[in-house]
Amino acid sequence: LAKTTQPISMDSYEGQEVNITCSHNNIATNDYITWYQQFPSQGPRFIIQGYKTKVTNEVASLFIPADRKSSTLSLPRVSLSDTAVYYCLVGDHNTDKLIFGTGTRLQVFP
Amino acid sequence: NAGVTQTPKFQVLKTGQSMTLQCAQDMNHNSMYWYRQDPGMGLRLIYYSASEGTTDKGEVPNGYNVSRLNKREFSLRLESAAPSQTSVYFCASSETGALNQPQHFGDGTRLSIL
Repeated sequence: LAKTTQPISMDSYEGQEVNITCSHNNIATNDYITWYQQFPSQGPRFIIQGYKTKVTNEVASLFIPADRKSSTLSLPRVSLSDTAVYYCLVGDHNTDKLIFGTGTRLQVFP
Repeated sequence: NAGVTQTPKFQVLKTGQSMTLQCAQDMNHNSMYWYRQDPGMGLRLIYYSASEGTTDKGEVPNGYNVSRLNKREFSLRLESAAPSQTSVYFCASSETGALNQPQHFGDGTRLSIL
């Protein structure tokens, strides 16, 4: 199965830019990379997705290198409300199964 | 504007008991999923249904069965609960099974097995 690796936790201060990287060494060739945000006692919520290069929406940017073996979620100017766990989701090349990363717990301080 | 609704929200079972977790979506989505979430393990796919009438195993299907009752509903059954199945269970749906379709999640069922 694709192995997805994320840092366990990250700390930041309000107003800073935060970059969270997910490594996915066996990603399915034609599948997108998707990122989700999860608050305590809630289900994950879609943030952004991309296939290659760079994607930007109103809340985040996603950077994907040419080999697609990793992706970086960028949160500009984080606020306290961005404190959450962030997951990447990819498809496994061999099994076509969906694989979530283990999640990165982001703590934003005032 | 309910989205994905899971019932119950909490449940405590004894080892060996059976239980069905219910999930319904009102977005007319074709694909539905069941995940379990354990501390330090992220979300792991148990079963999914790409479309009405089909189901497939995910990463951790052992000990579970599913039923895609109709387009709206996808249930998860534990026939003989074991302590190792203590977890938070999430149901999700998406327009299609393609990864470029965002999944919409319910708020989970917290299941404890004693």
